[in-house]
Amino acid sequence: GNSVTQMEGPVTLSEEAFLTINCTYTATGYPSLFWYVQYPGEGLQLLLKATKADDKGSNKGFEATYRKETTSFHLEKGSVQVSDSAVYFCALGGSNYKLTFGKGTLLTVNP
Amino acid sequence: EAGVTQFPSHSVIEKGQTVTLRCDPISGHDNLYWYRRVMGKEIKFLLHFVKESKQDESGMPNNRFLAERTGGTYSTLKVQPAELEDSGVYFCASSRATGHFAAFFGQGTRLTVV
Repeated sequence: GNSVTQMEGPVTLSEEAFLTINCTYTATGYPSLFWYVQYPGEGLQLLLKATKADDKGSNKGFEATYRKETTSFHLEKGSVQVSDSAVYFCALGGSNYKLTFGKGTLLTVNP
Repeated sequence: EAGVTQFPSHSVIEKGQTVTLRCDPISGHDNLYWYRRVMGKEIKFLLHFVKESKQDESGMPNNRFLAERTGGTYSTLKVQPAELEDSGVYFCASSRATGHFAAFFGQGTRLTVV
């Protein structure tokens, strides 16, 4: 079946540091890949997505590239801000529109 | 536009009691999903409604869980009787049309069974 493995947290960075959160997946077929974010006190929201190999999803300065050869979808941001502190979830979606999530990574950015 | 709303935000009940969680999707969204995150584990799919019909309930853990969506608007998830392992955060999500992954989730209901 489908599964997602993402970097265990927590991750603590200083403002303006470079962020990478690793995510790898196992899936049959050609899944879509997602990053969701949950800010404190809020629900999950879609951050970015990629629907086929070599696609790059981007939003709010975050990027992730769908790498079929390494079955990865690592999240990156060049310069994090305090407001980026949140829990980040990598997920994949199959043909039935059911999402399979990773365990989540807590990011704390200090000023 | 109001987002996905869940009630209550937190519930503490004793083992053997009944609890009902409610989800109000974004207005006009036909697709409604329930997910659950048990402490320290992944968020897992429970079921999917299209309007009032259950499209996929393959993730429901057992028959102590009952989901309904009468009239195709809000949904309820009842756990009866609750067990300790049911503790976790229950998320609801919605999407406008079939063929779209859920983009917006509610804040979740944290259920603690003691």
